[in-house]
Amino acid sequence: EAGVTQSPTHLIKTRGQQATLRCSPISGHTSVYWYQQALGLGLQFLLWYDEGEERNRGNFPPRFSGRQFPNYSSELNVNALELEDSALYLCASSRAPGEQFFGPGTRLTVL
Amino acid sequence: EDQVTQSPEALRLQEGESSSLNCSYTVSGLRGLFWYRQDPGKGPEFLFTLYSAGEEKEKERLKATLTKKESFLHITAPKPEDSATYLCAVQRLYNTDKLIFGTGTRLQVFP
Repeated sequence: EAGVTQSPTHLIKTRGQQATLRCSPISGHTSVYWYQQALGLGLQFLLWYDEGEERNRGNFPPRFSGRQFPNYSSELNVNALELEDSALYLCASSRAPGEQFFGPGTRLTVL
Repeated sequence: EDQVTQSPEALRLQEGESSSLNCSYTVSGLRGLFWYRQDPGKGPEFLFTLYSAGEEKEKERLKATLTKKESFLHITAPKPEDSATYLCAVQRLYNTDKLIFGTGTRLQVFP
């Protein structure tokens, strides 16, 4: 069974630009979660999508947004990038409440 | 407020030297407690889910236990390949599926 996939692996942007990160969940999983892992910090919850709807949002500004497509894949958009947005962005998927399985992450660097 | 605290922050062990990692939690209604392993620059790898006090799970040299206030990850006769950061997370019973993570224990096992 294929795991969660994320693209791109690395992304380099300059301050003020927009970044788009993509995630494909495990087949059969309808929920997708996004987390941010900044250097030296723990994983912080960003967004939860289920059946195409945003279900919950973490304590992040509105310039962090996303969507879930009919095939359950998801996209995270970060507008007006700031230096402190540099982090590893992790996507996870689950079939139901419980275990979440993570992808390899996208390393975003903002210069 | 929901909180997860892991200790120690870092642990250095000689190969074969058994030890335990601690995860203390405060959550308003626990659905489950999760242990993950994370290698540098990669996504967390799921290890265990524990749902109720007294529950234990084992996998190779790892054993996880749960009480009403904390969880332990016991590592028996560790090998260098067990070196990683071990993350603990909790999920609330109501209103959200997000995982609340601790900051992890960085384990180094020397030959």
